[in-house]
Amino acid sequence: ILNVEQSPQSLHVQEGDSTNFTCSFPSSNFYALHWYRWETAKSPEALFVMTLNGDEKKKGRISATLNTKEGYSYLYIKGSQPEDSATYLCAFHDYKLTFGKGTLLTVNP
Amino acid sequence: EAQVTQNPRYLITVTGKKLTVTCSQNMNHEYMSWYRQDPGLGLRQIYYSMNVEVTDKGDVPEGYKVSRKEKRNFPLILESPSPNQTSLYFCASRDSGQGATDTQYFGPGTRLTVL
Repeated sequence: ILNVEQSPQSLHVQEGDSTNFTCSFPSSNFYALHWYRWETAKSPEALFVMTLNGDEKKKGRISATLNTKEGYSYLYIKGSQPEDSATYLCAFHDYKLTFGKGTLLTVNP
Repeated sequence: EAQVTQNPRYLITVTGKKLTVTCSQNMNHEYMSWYRQDPGLGLRQIYYSMNVEVTDKGDVPEGYKVSRKEKRNFPLILESPSPNQTSLYFCASRDSGQGATDTQYFGPGTRLTVL
């Protein structure tokens, strides 16, 4: 069973803070790394799909980087807002998608 | 609107009473799958389907059945539910089974409680 690790498990920040969290995955048989945003009582929504080593994606205040050689991806949120509060999931794709357990972000106003 | 729908959204049932959770997508996706979400365990895949009449086991298939008679529908069947199947279930779809870069779309979830 593949190990996709996310850290930290949970995080509390103040509105306006910038924050980041990590997804670690096996560095072999890599096809893609997915990031999802999952708000309470809703379903996970895709943020990014990343495939190339050194890839960097951005969507508004959220960005992500990818290092396939060492097997990690960072998700950054600049100037966190209360509406950013959610669980952020990463998923490693070799021949199937394996999800991490997520990082629960709470942004306090 | 492109979407994955699931029904019911909430269900409380008793041990042994057969139930079906329906899943339907309107995006003409080939690949569909079922996940369960349990505290501290993350999303785990139950079954998946690469296309019509093609289904296969995921990581936690025991106690579940699926069928894929039509492209848009992928029901999850619990023949004899047990309390350890109490969980939050998600159906998902994406364009193709080979598409590692395809975006996966999730349904709204079904919260199942088995007493």
